[in-house]
Amino acid sequence: DTGVSQNPRHKITKRGQNVTFRCDPISEHNRLYWYRQTLGQGPEFLTYFQNEAQLEKSRLLSDRFSAERPKGSFSTLEIQRTEQGDSAMYLCASSLALSGYGYTFGSGTRLTVV
Amino acid sequence: KNEVEQSPQNLTAQEGEFITINCSYSVGISALHWLQQHPGGGIVSLFMLSSGKKKHGRLIATINIQEKHSSLHITASHPRDSAVYICAVGGGSQGNLIFGKGTKLSVKP
Repeated sequence: DTGVSQNPRHKITKRGQNVTFRCDPISEHNRLYWYRQTLGQGPEFLTYFQNEAQLEKSRLLSDRFSAERPKGSFSTLEIQRTEQGDSAMYLCASSLALSGYGYTFGSGTRLTVV
Repeated sequence: KNEVEQSPQNLTAQEGEFITINCSYSVGISALHWLQQHPGGGIVSLFMLSSGKKKHGRLIATINIQEKHSSLHITASHPRDSAVYICAVGGGSQGNLIFGKGTKLSVKP
């Protein structure tokens, strides 16, 4: 297992376009988290899954954002009608349930909306 | 006031110096994480602490649960230690982390 994998690493898109990011967690981790990080700030929580169930969504996750984790494996984060304010690093992390053991981050997807 | 506060925000050191980064938090937690982020890079987990002290190579992390405070120490600092160090706390049933804004460390040769 090579850790948490995120694709693409970089994405440049025009305002108004839709984008989708993918995260492949560590295979035995049942929890998967999405965070967003803007320049000079720490990451902020967006949403998390336990297996295939999306259990929590931050108020940061507007109606234009949707996340899925079909079959409890990989996850996708889609942003519709992108805005310049969506430009950020989108980080995925996975861990084992409540223990938080093995909390591992991916390298992130850097989104630039022009 | 942020739930996780780190100090200093920026730190410049000479190679070989002993470095301390502090983290204070105001929420109840089950664990505290110290993370490292290089420019343009992803985040690497350095430590997860729920009590006491942990050591890994030249890095030492301590936590005082009663005082809601943790410190990350780097002994014999090296330019390759230059990065942003982030404190994050986790708690509750969700397991998601609340992050500090990070401390940008620059170690000069």
